[in-house]
Amino acid sequence: GQSLEQPSEVTAVEGAIVQINCTYQTSGFYGLSWYQQHDGGAPTFLSYNGLDGLEETGRFSSFLSRSDSYGYLLLQELQMKDSASYFCAVPKSGNTPLVFGKGTRLSVIA
Amino acid sequence: EPEVTQTPSHQVTQMGQEVILRCVPISNHLYFYWYRQILGQKVEFLVSFYNNEISEKSEIFDDQFSVERPDGSNFTLKIRSTKLEDSAMYFCASRFEAGDAAEAFFGQGTRLTVV
Repeated sequence: GQSLEQPSEVTAVEGAIVQINCTYQTSGFYGLSWYQQHDGGAPTFLSYNGLDGLEETGRFSSFLSRSDSYGYLLLQELQMKDSASYFCAVPKSGNTPLVFGKGTRLSVIA
Repeated sequence: EPEVTQTPSHQVTQMGQEVILRCVPISNHLYFYWYRQILGQKVEFLVSFYNNEISEKSEIFDDQFSVERPDGSNFTLKIRSTKLEDSAMYFCASRFEAGDAAEAFFGQGTRLTVV
């Protein structure tokens, strides 16, 4: 089966950089995704890593190390609107549904 | 921009009643999913649907649950006899294709409250 571990809460200051880690155990590996969810809202896709290394999308970057079964989401120049829950997720198999971690609640403070 | 739409946004029902949650996936998408999220917890997979049949389901998706795609646009989740523990946010999601770049598009959810 799949399991994912990520910190439950992180607090960071506006303008700073924060890293949210995710370790996973999967029976097969089909990539690691990150989703953002604001309170009361739907999860929205942020990024995907299928291969080792860093993927950058604006202020957000995501990193993957398949040999370590580890990835992280890096948020730079934090803004108050980045306060949300962040979930790492892996597909159960190549064609499918995502299994989500428990989520990391990020609080950005002034 | 295309989006997944879900109705209703909120549903209150009495224990033991049947509810149907409705979703309209993005029109050219082929893969459809239901997830649920109990307040404060993670998003949990319920069921996936492709080519007019269930392709995978979780242990949560027991006999009280069913899904249907009654026409070319709607995708429904039915809960036959609701229990208090079914209270949760239910999200519908869709994807255009299978494959590793697992971008799923989620609807805004239906908040189900069973009383």
